[in-house]
Amino acid sequence: AQSVTQLGSHVSVSEGALVLLRCNYSSSVPPYLFWYVQYPNQGLQLLLKYTSAATLVKGINGFEAEFKKSETSFHLTKPSAHMSDAAEYFCAVTNQGGSEKLVFGKGTKLTVNP
Amino acid sequence: DAGVIQSPRHEVTEMGQEVTLRCKPISGHNSLFWYRQTMMRGLELLIYFNNNVPIDDSGMPEDRFSAKMPNASFSTLKIQPSEPRDSAVYFCASSFALAGGVQETQYFGPGTRLLVL
Repeated sequence: AQSVTQLGSHVSVSEGALVLLRCNYSSSVPPYLFWYVQYPNQGLQLLLKYTSAATLVKGINGFEAEFKKSETSFHLTKPSAHMSDAAEYFCAVTNQGGSEKLVFGKGTKLTVNP
Repeated sequence: DAGVIQSPRHEVTEMGQEVTLRCKPISGHNSLFWYRQTMMRGLELLIYFNNNVPIDDSGMPEDRFSAKMPNASFSTLKIQPSEPRDSAVYFCASSFALAGGVQETQYFGPGTRLLVL
């Protein structure tokens, strides 16, 4: 069985500051990992995904994430936060190949202060 | 492409009433997923279909919930009778599954916000 833990249900940063959203996974098989973003009153939108190619994955809106097998982590970062980044972010895991269902973390709500 | 379409966007009903949520997946996608999102439990997978066939319904809470996919372009999630604890946002998502069940990226609809009084 696979699972995802997102550390911190709420993260608050200042505009222009580094964004770091943490995700640790548990998987008995090599994983595929995803970050989704949910803006208020909208569905989830894919930010980026790791599918066993490069360990550093770049996504939309300047976000990137690094797969670290030794740490079982897939943290999401952005060098400089914008007000428009305020949203809820979900980390998700499935098996390599994606034949198993996607398991989501509880989500981290990002607030960006002016 | 219009993306995944869900209707209604909002539903308010009274306890005991039947509720039907509808979803139209992206054309060409062959997998469809129903999720429920609440503050307490986060995002939960209820059921998913591949080529209109239910593959995993282990997340369906109880017999009051049922889902159908009569064709590749339409699915329903029905709650009968509804209860206040069913209040949540229900998302439909679709993707393309390759041979062997390999899933591509899931695309989510805007959700249906259900309130059961």
